[in-house]
Amino acid sequence: AQSVAQPEDQVNVAEGNPLTVKCTYSVSGNPYLFWYVQYPNRGLQFLLKYITGDNLVKGSYGFEAEFNKSQTSFHLKKPSALVSDSALYFCAVRDKTGNQFYFGTGTSLTVIP
Amino acid sequence: EAGVVQSPRYKIIEKKQPVAFWCNPISGHNTLYWYLQNLGQGPELLIRYENEEAVDDSQLPKDRFSAERLKGVDSTLKIQPAELGDSAVYLCASSLTTSTDTQYFGPGTRLTVL
Repeated sequence: AQSVAQPEDQVNVAEGNPLTVKCTYSVSGNPYLFWYVQYPNRGLQFLLKYITGDNLVKGSYGFEAEFNKSQTSFHLKKPSALVSDSALYFCAVRDKTGNQFYFGTGTSLTVIP
Repeated sequence: EAGVVQSPRYKIIEKKQPVAFWCNPISGHNTLYWYLQNLGQGPELLIRYENEEAVDDSQLPKDRFSAERLKGVDSTLKIQPAELGDSAVYLCASSLTTSTDTQYFGPGTRLTVL
């Protein structure tokens, strides 16, 4: 079955430290990969996407993600976390063959002052 | 540029009552999506429109849910009758096209069924 996995429900990191939010996928072909962030009582906001090309993608608010085809991963990273980064993060994958769109279950990020 | 607009933001109804949600996508976006998001979960696609055509409604519970996008712009999602298990956030999103384009989400409608 095709799916997206975010293995950590919760990630805590100290302000100023680097952060990583993990995502792995199981989708046929070469999928398109996305990261979204959701603040309380808000809709999802687009952070970045990988379509093709350079495996390191830079996005909004200083976030970046690295596509690793061999490990079928697309981990979200930021060199220095801010308290305002505390939110719910969703990885999403579009299956090009079936044109399906799958979201992970989300990872709650808490940045501790 | 205005984002995706949804109304109402919150709705509380009793079970067996009907309810409708409205979505106005970003101007020029041909593709419109309705998602259901349960607490602590990722969004799950209910239906996807390309202009006025519903091209993927395989996850829409058709016995009680219906949707329309008559002029290929705004859209309405209806539940009739609502059940307790329908309590969730209903998200609308739009994109220029379906392929590589980013989906932009509205703020959602939080439905509570009592």
